Amino acid sequence: GAGVSQSPSNKVTEKGKDVELRCDPISGHTALYWYRQSLGQGLEFLIYFQGNSAPDKSGLPSDRFSAERTGGSVSTLTIQRTQQEDSAVYLCASSLGTSGNEQFFGPGTRLTVL
Amino acid sequence: AQSVTQLGSHVSVSEGALVLLRCNYSSSVPPYLFWYVQYPNQGLQLLLKYTSAATLVKGINGFEAEFKKSETSFHLTKPSAHMSDAAEYFCAVSPPQTGANNLFFGTGTRLTVIP
Repeated sequence: GAGVSQSPSNKVTEKGKDVELRCDPISGHTALYWYRQSLGQGLEFLIYFQGNSAPDKSGLPSDRFSAERTGGSVSTLTIQRTQQEDSAVYLCASSLGTSGNEQFFGPGTRLTVL
Repeated sequence: AQSVTQLGSHVSVSEGALVLLRCNYSSSVPPYLFWYVQYPNQGLQLLLKYTSAATLVKGINGFEAEFKKSETSFHLTKPSAHMSDAAEYFCAVSPPQTGANNLFFGTGTRLTVIP
């Protein structure tokens, strides 16, 4: 079956612009996660959605970052007023919701802020 | 708070030699533990996981890891390295509480296999 897909695969933007990154999880997976992978910080947890519960936003680095998950499926990560330090690979993952289950990762979106 | 420490950002082994990648965790209760591999220009793939069943966990591609509570460790091993094992390896921890399933990753270890 199809895995987790993300779009775009690459995004180049200018400092100060807003960007939207999209994630399509595996069908039937109730949990969806966003992570960020950068040279200086490694792999960081950003936000976690589980079913209809309020998302866990504890990893978002600033209020410029937000995410939505519509209809319990597709998710969009939005970064407002992008800064150069936002340049990273943004990874999405999904899993069956039970704690300890494998998270399946998408290929990522490489964001470059000029 | 959950965290993992991976000792050695780079490890080089000869083809056919033992692979040992170290991971220590910090947690107030035994967490769930994972090893993921990232091949060049690819996404993360699960190698194996520990979720409080058997302490010796076998994964894909001949890798295994042993959970040692007394040492708070979950080191990854493979008896004989192949060239195809060259990749970056990440240890990760997840709190065992229901509903808290996000992963906290170590900084990664890049494995080089020398022919």
